[in-house]
Amino acid sequence: QLQLQEWGPGLVKPSETLSLTCTVSRDSISSSSYYWDWIRQPPGKGLEWIGSVYFSGSTYYNPSLKSRVTISVDTSKNEFSLRLSSVTAADTAMYYCARRSYSDSNGSFDYWGQGTLVIVSS
Amino acid sequence: DIQMTQSPSSVSASVGDRVTITCRASQGISTWLAWYQQKPGRAPKLLISGASTLHSGVPSRFSGSGSGTDFTLTISSLQPEDFATYYCQQTNSVPLTFGGGTEVDIK
Repeated sequence: QLQLQEWGPGLVKPSETLSLTCTVSRDSISSSSYYWDWIRQPPGKGLEWIGSVYFSGSTYYNPSLKSRVTISVDTSKNEFSLRLSSVTAADTAMYYCARRSYSDSNGSFDYWGQGTLVIVSS
Repeated sequence: DIQMTQSPSSVSASVGDRVTITCRASQGISTWLAWYQQKPGRAPKLLISGASTLHSGVPSRFSGSGSGTDFTLTISSLQPEDFATYYCQQTNSVPLTFGGGTEVDIK
């Protein structure tokens, strides 16, 4: 069964860049059937879609974050990454990576990582 | 952006109760709607995609319906493991958006 695992620093200073990576196991990130997404959830709040990447490198971003977000894919390592620049306390959240499938689940997020908490603080 | 509005924001219910959660989209999304369950400290889990297709392994007491702008998630007989927060999400177009969530707690 597919597994996703997020990893990266849990503490980032204000104005710096948040960097996270999601490693995909037991399936290929190069499948043409899937998109690979980042979603976040501030403590005690709801879910916010950040953006996604296709195996070809095509990206789609939430306009609310677009100026600060870069998502990339490394098919040789079977992983994809998130960079969020100029972070503030408002970027403190649990960050999830997830698979989005139109062939299997009508465009839903059918597999999720366990999430990683990133705190923005000096 | 398509806004997703869930109601109620919370509901208190007992084991065995029938629970209904609604989700309204700000514009028509056909059946491009998913429902997720999230328990504290855990990642969301997909329950239903395509507005009414039960995801693999999800108990049949969960069902979804609707199309266009109005959707419903129903739990036919609430079980102890169903106390959680439920989110709808439109998969019609980017930016993908979620409802604000409905917390189902014990009466």
